[in-house]
Amino acid sequence: NAGVTQTPKFQVLKTGQSMTLQCAQDMNHEYMSWYRQDPGMGLRLIHYSVGAGITDQGEVPNGYNVSRSTTEDFPLRLLSAAPSQTSVYFCASMRSSSYEQYFGPGTRLTVT
Amino acid sequence: EDQVTQSPEALRLQEGESSSLNCSYTVSGLRGLFWYRQDPGKGPEFLFTLYSAGEEKEKERLKATLTKKESFLHITAPKPEDSATYLCAVRRNTGNQFYFGTGTSLTVIP
Repeated sequence: NAGVTQTPKFQVLKTGQSMTLQCAQDMNHEYMSWYRQDPGMGLRLIHYSVGAGITDQGEVPNGYNVSRSTTEDFPLRLLSAAPSQTSVYFCASMRSSSYEQYFGPGTRLTVT
Repeated sequence: EDQVTQSPEALRLQEGESSSLNCSYTVSGLRGLFWYRQDPGKGPEFLFTLYSAGEEKEKERLKATLTKKESFLHITAPKPEDSATYLCAVRRNTGNQFYFGTGTSLTVIP
């Protein structure tokens, strides 16, 4: 099992550009989520999904979109990048009955 | 408002010097409290789940305990490879969200 994979590892964007961060898992987990991690702020939930076709907002959803068309994939879209979105982004998945989240290796995003 | 506060922010220990990390929480109806370890440049790695006050979990040199207001991660005779950031998170009885603390950065000096 590859676990949770994320691409790209690093990305630099200019203000106003859009992009998609990819996340995939091969463990057949129902629950998937996106977090951002900033110094002094901890991990903050952006969006999450409890199954294919179902998504919901977390603490900090503004400026981000998600969709979940398959169990395996949960992409995160930045619609119009802003410097405030400079952060490290983590995707996670878990079996809904266990609450044990498996995290990907992260994407470091810089918006200039 | 749900809150998770971890202390201290940073901790330096000599190898073999036992200590504890604290996670205090305010949440209406706790479903579970979770401990993770995060190495630099990597994603968090799950350690423990605690569901109710009085519960304890152990793994090697780590032991996690839970009361109604806080959790402790006890590190017994730490080794340099225990150096990492330790994160605490909670989940409420209602909803599907996890709330994380800002972590404790542990350095174990040989």
